[in-house]
Amino acid sequence: DTEVTQTPKHLVMGMTNKKSLKCEQHMGHRAMYWYKQKAKKPPELMFVYSYEKLSINESVPSRFSPECPNSSLLNLHLHALQPEDSALYLCASSRQTMNTEAFFGQGTRLTVV
Amino acid sequence: AQSVTQLDSHVSVSEGTPVLLRCNYSSSYSPSLFWYVQHPNKGLQLLLKYTSAATLVKGINGFEAEFKKSETSFHLTKPSAHMSDAAEYFCVVSVAGTYKYIFGTGTRLKVLA
Repeated sequence: DTEVTQTPKHLVMGMTNKKSLKCEQHMGHRAMYWYKQKAKKPPELMFVYSYEKLSINESVPSRFSPECPNSSLLNLHLHALQPEDSALYLCASSRQTMNTEAFFGQGTRLTVV
Repeated sequence: AQSVTQLDSHVSVSEGTPVLLRCNYSSSYSPSLFWYVQHPNKGLQLLLKYTSAATLVKGINGFEAEFKKSETSFHLTKPSAHMSDAAEYFCVVSVAGTYKYIFGTGTRLKVLA
């Protein structure tokens, strides 16, 4: 199983809403990632968790709050977002050994209204 | 510092003709290089990877890439394009000793009937 599952596939939220994106993998990977991708651009790294601990935060605004409850799950909590936060949010995972390939989920298309 | 440059933002080929997507890299270390494909509104799918084993790497769906250290290139090829190959392709290098990946700006492949 080389699958990373993201839910929901689509999400529309108002600027005052609180919502969460979920990501799950069962490959035994101990590194998990959140990326943001705007149209016609490559993905931009937001956060990396290694062994359930936050390893990298790419200076992401606090309205995005990641959480890694266990080695298979990764959440991204959203609060008070802006319209410019509308994007495709991609989750990925990789083995704990660095410089190996990452496996990506299908993404959540987020629209902030 | 490591970087990747995708030399063409758009490539158009006729169905059944060869595909060449060009990628140059810069790295002080022996790099780990990857090609990913992204169909519209989908996640990224790994096509192939180079991690200092064989210089000619075979991937899925008939794609292959050759690592040429002297030319610092990692071009993606396929002998015969299929309509289903139309997508965005990203060349990616992993940053040594970290969980970071550097993405090229992407090449949009169009396949003409």
